[in-house]
Amino acid sequence: KQEVTQIPAALSVPEGENLVLNCSFTDSAIYNLQWFRQDPGKGLTSLLLIQSSQREQTSGRLNASLDKSSGRSTLYIAASQPGDSATYLCAVKGGGGSQGNLIFGKGTKLSVKP
Amino acid sequence: EAGVVQSPRYKIIEKKQPVAFWCNPISGHNTLYWYLQNLGQGPELLIRYENEEAVDDSQLPKDRFSAERLKGVDSTLKIQPAELGDSAVYLCASSLGVGTDEKLFFGSGTQLSVL
Repeated sequence: KQEVTQIPAALSVPEGENLVLNCSFTDSAIYNLQWFRQDPGKGLTSLLLIQSSQREQTSGRLNASLDKSSGRSTLYIAASQPGDSATYLCAVKGGGGSQGNLIFGKGTKLSVKP
Repeated sequence: EAGVVQSPRYKIIEKKQPVAFWCNPISGHNTLYWYLQNLGQGPELLIRYENEEAVDDSQLPKDRFSAERLKGVDSTLKIQPAELGDSAVYLCASSLGVGTDEKLFFGSGTQLSVL
């Protein structure tokens, strides 16, 4: 059974810092991996999607990497801003390829202080 | 373009009462998902539809939960009767479907409180 773990559970940094969020998964046979952002009381917003054949994806100040063999992904946020404060969730799709379902981690709650 | 629309935004009911949630996915999205999210946890899949067919409902507690997606567009999730442990956020999501980039788009959710 696929399990997704995110470390740390919470992170507080001063504005301007570069930071890394970690995601690990137990079954390396994944179809894709997505990073989401969730603001308090809101739904999830997809940030980056990495297919199993890819190593990384970039969008603006965000860069996500994937190492399937070690069961790890990282989300790198450059020059953090207070507006980046949110919970970041990692989710993997596997166990059936395109027919599989997303398994989510519990998220990392990020606070960026001005 | 409108995103995934859910209603109501909040719902407070007493235990043993019925409750229903409604979802309108993004136009053209064939795949629709209902997720349950408890406080401090990631979302957990309840049911997934491909068009009007429920292709995965293995995590749906069928003794009290039911769902439908008429005409492959809007969907309704129902709980009858509700229990205290059903208090959570119910999220609806949609995607273009199998064979596409499969990026999920979520609604704002319905926060259910069962008293």
